[in-house]
Parts: sequence; C-alpha cells; structure tokens
Amino acid sequence: EVQLLDSGGGLVWPGGSLRLSCAASGFSFSSYAMSWVRQAPGKGLEWVSSISISGGNTYYADDVKGRFTISRDNSKNTVYLQMNSLRVEDTAVYYCAKDEGPHDSWGQGTRVSVSS
Amino acid sequence: IVLTQSPGTLSLSSGERATLSCRASQSVPANYLAWYQQKPGQAPRLLISGASSRATGIPDRFSGSGSGTDFTLTISRLDPEDFTVYYCQQYGMSLSFGGGTKVEI
Repeated sequence: EVQLLDSGGGLVWPGGSLRLSCAASGFSFSSYAMSWVRQAPGKGLEWVSSISISGGNTYYADDVKGRFTISRDNSKNTVYLQMNSLRVEDTAVYYCAKDEGPHDSWGQGTRVSVSS
Repeated sequence: IVLTQSPGTLSLSSGERATLSCRASQSVPANYLAWYQQKPGQAPRLLISGASSRATGIPDRFSGSGSGTDFTLTISRLDPEDFTVYYCQQYGMSLSFGGGTKVEI
C-alpha cells in the first residue's frame, strides 16, 4: 500500500523558515517524480513545486521561486520542502503528492501557519 | 495554463446527473487533464486522468470527456457521498489547478 507521511508544519513568524518532510513507502520511490501542493484555508489547490526522479530537475510556482527549495533523498525515500522568507500568504495545508501529475497518491497534509 | 471551472456551485439532488466544466486558457498538451474529488479535511482523490481514464477503484458513474481547451466531468447519478468539491488539473505544461466546483444538495 502506498503511504506518504507529511510532517514538519507549525507556527512561524513572517520571515521565518520551516522544512517539510514527506516519507514514502509502498512503491519504488526512486522511480517517481514528487510534488508539493498547498491549500490555503477555505481555498482551492495550488501547485507549489516538483522534483524529478534523480533530483536534478526542480520546478517552482512563481509565488515561491527563490524562497522555497525542493529536494529528495532516495536512500531515505523522503522528499523535502525547505521554506524560507515565509509570508502570511504561505499559510496553508501542504500536501506531498506522488509524481508530477496526475497524482494518484497524496500525503495527509501538514499545516503551516505564518503569523505574528 | 489557467484553468477556469464552472459553475462555482452546483445544486442538485441524489440520483441526478452532474456536469462540471473545466476550460483552459490554451490547449492542454496531449489532453493531460485530471479530475480530483476532495472531501472536507481530506486529501484530494484522483478520479480521472488523461481527460477520460478512470483511476483505479473509481465507480463508473464518474466519466471524463473533452479535449484541447474544454473538458467535462460527468457524474451520471449522484450518490450522497458525491456531494463535495471537485478540481481539475492540467499536467501537460507545468502544473495548475482550477478553482473548484462544489456540488451541494
């Protein structure tokens, strides 16, 4: 059974940093791209970032480019999202998702709140 | 690619047919268009990929159609568990989601 376990969310001041993790199991992690998708309170889904199988290619939404960094460790079956210079508008539930689309598996989400 | 879903809210009854629209600002390459269902407090669930292919375990009352810039998700007979929010996503040119359609009783 495919499982994606998101973690690392929390409450942070504007300008602060957080690192999200997503631990994968139940499939050949090193054979799939991975993505992060977020959902602000009461809003729709927004793609954030994706990373290729090897990690050599990374892609970002314009809103987070230059502030967020996606990475992966295939030896640990884990994908990360380093979030720096956080803004109030980054407040959301962050989901990791298998592949670059379509996403047939999702994590349960981890909540990030940016507030003073 | 910007995706526009309509209507924003669809008010129907159990057993009725639901037709949800997703329009793209430009042609979606290879019709790489997916549909997701999301219930409150849960992660999205993949329903349809490639515009018309049902994902594993999805009931056949869900069907997808369309090509180019106009896509449709049809729920042939609404079950009580189907009253929730639906999103389209294109994955042919980067990734983007539509704003969602809420199907309510």
